[in-house]
Amino acid sequence: EIVLTQSPATLSLSPGERATLSCRASQSVSSYLAWYQQKPGQAPRLLIYDASNRATGIPARFSGSGSGTDFTLTISSLEPEDFAVYYCQQRSNWPPRFTFGPGTKVDIK
Amino acid sequence: EVQLVESGGVVVQPGGSLRLSCAASGFTFDDYTMHWVRQAPGKGLEWVSLISWDGGSTYYADSVKGRFTISRDNSKNSLYLQMNSLRTEDTALYYCAKSSGVVITEGPFDYWGQGTLVTVSS
Repeated sequence: EIVLTQSPATLSLSPGERATLSCRASQSVSSYLAWYQQKPGQAPRLLIYDASNRATGIPARFSGSGSGTDFTLTISSLEPEDFAVYYCQQRSNWPPRFTFGPGTKVDIK
Repeated sequence: EVQLVESGGVVVQPGGSLRLSCAASGFTFDDYTMHWVRQAPGKGLEWVSLISWDGGSTYYADSVKGRFTISRDNSKNSLYLQMNSLRTEDTALYYCAKSSGVVITEGPFDYWGQGTLVTVSS
């Protein structure tokens, strides 16, 4: 079973700063990695899929990179609405399984 | 506009059963794999189960295998989760989520409902 580790657990930043979130897989997931944003009381929202593709309607300040076991979500300049929890997710083909990382909380410094 | 609306969450005793529903609209329901994902209070996300577009393939997380059954009725644009032998650790907000693809391992979850809360407690 592939395990995802996210770091840091909490990231305290100010609006306008750059956020860099890490997701590491216990074995290669190729580019099958997605990122989701979740705000309190809301459902998760897809941000990035296949490691680096922005989902529909996602602002350009969000970008994803990486392949294999190491992935990064970057928010180039934090907006007030970006303070939330971010989860990475991978999928494995056989048996079909989907695994989420434990999340990184981005809060206001 | 894609909408997913879950229902059926209640308080149930350990060992009990429950059926969750998810009503879908705004897209061609039988074109897509569908999933259930849960989130225990204050915790992260856990994938629970998936069902292929035609209902012919289903898969489960080890934590629910043998106790939960996913199904769908494409004529009603609805997804279901039958939950049996419930345990306190099944307490969570249950989301239905749409896959962006047809192939069961294809695509991330591009739309989510708002969730329905299941509480397992005596």
